[in-house]
Amino acid sequence: ILNVEQSPQSLHVQEGDSTNFTCSFPSSNFYALHWYRWETAKSPEALFVMTLNGDEKKKGRISATLNTKEGYSYLYIKGSQPEDSATYLCAIYNFNKFYFGSGTKLNVKP
Amino acid sequence: DAGITQSPRHKVTETGTPVTLRCHQTENHRYMYWYRQDPGHGLRLIHYSYGVKDTDKGEVSDGYSVSRSKTEDFLLTLESATSSQTSVYFCAISQRTGGEDGYTFGSGTRLTVV
Repeated sequence: ILNVEQSPQSLHVQEGDSTNFTCSFPSSNFYALHWYRWETAKSPEALFVMTLNGDEKKKGRISATLNTKEGYSYLYIKGSQPEDSATYLCAIYNFNKFYFGSGTKLNVKP
Repeated sequence: DAGITQSPRHKVTETGTPVTLRCHQTENHRYMYWYRQDPGHGLRLIHYSYGVKDTDKGEVSDGYSVSRSKTEDFLLTLESATSSQTSVYFCAISQRTGGEDGYTFGSGTRLTVV
């Protein structure tokens, strides 16, 4: 079993604030990392797939970076909006399986 | 949507009874997965399938079995349900393994064992 840690567990920000959170994982045998956005009462939705050290991906106001040598990825949200409120999951692919972190629950207050 | 449906959406069952959850996809994806979601644990893999009749265990497979007799259906069975199996169960599919593709998830099945 591969240990994937996400921090913080939850985050409360004001509308317009920029924020970021972390996914940490064992750096050995890394293959791929996924970020998912999970709104309450819905199913997780894939945001980014990252495989290379130094990868940076962007989708609108959301971006992610990957450091496989030190075993972490950051997810950034610029100018948070209430509709960004969700749980953000990180998953590491290794040995034919994904291992998910517990997620960071983001609440953006209007 | 991506053509993945789970049934039932909600189920309440008694301890000791068998329960089968169904995942159906219309995407012809090769890989299918069953996860359970519990507070503080995120998503944990129960079983997965890499083709018809080809399945393997995940990290929390005890008490569960699966079957995949055709590409589109992946069944999860609790042979004798226990209260510890009260959870939300998610099915996911992917076209390729190797982590190149994000998963597509079903809407989940909320199972309560009383």
